[in-house]
Amino acid sequence: TQLLEQSPQFLSIQEGENLTVYCNSSSVFSSLQWYRQEPGEGPVLLVTVVTGGEVKKLKRLTFQFGDARKDSSLHITAAQPGDTGLYLCAGAGGNFNKFYFGSGTKLNVKP
Amino acid sequence: KAGVTQTPRYLIKTRGQQVTLSCSPISGHRSVSWYQQTPGQGLQFLFEYFSETQRNKGNFPGRFSGRQFSNSRSEMNVSTLELGDSALYLCASSFLSGSYNEQFFGPGTRLTVL
Repeated sequence: TQLLEQSPQFLSIQEGENLTVYCNSSSVFSSLQWYRQEPGEGPVLLVTVVTGGEVKKLKRLTFQFGDARKDSSLHITAAQPGDTGLYLCAGAGGNFNKFYFGSGTKLNVKP
Repeated sequence: KAGVTQTPRYLIKTRGQQVTLSCSPISGHRSVSWYQQTPGQGLQFLFEYFSETQRNKGNFPGRFSGRQFSNSRSEMNVSTLELGDSALYLCASSFLSGSYNEQFFGPGTRLTVL
């Protein structure tokens, strides 16, 4: 059983569209990270959210941590082909420094 | 600061052989974790080392082992390789600040078992 559920699993959209990726759990996390991974490479850390209700922006990407620190969302405005990749969320909690990963959302942005 | 480095980047082995992968964490990071990533299973946690001690362990057979050296560099070893061990092996380091932790990943080692 996956501790963190990501949805959707796959997303194929046209350049310029908006999208939201969700990361949900029944567990509380002390922090939550979002990563983007390109094929054959390691995940690159995009953001860490720590406080319940926190919102962080990274250019066209907006990240939100749920009030109860159990869920998070990633919203991309006006997606570009360069946003294509696998988006992973990871929650930290429980056993010290234990990270739990979602199964990922594979995004394809067509020009 | 230099990022997490992993060597080698690519490796081809045959069934029954063993392999050792290496990871150098970001300077000052004392925690190193290893993950296996396959298309079907996603990112699976192998183990985590901190100050040369294994603190967390995933659900993998004993053929998978690791260690960490006093300079925080880490190695993982897979013995008696099986076809199903073909995967991208990722190393991640983190600095345990007390308030919250972040993991930073290396580029991975692509292992192909023939």
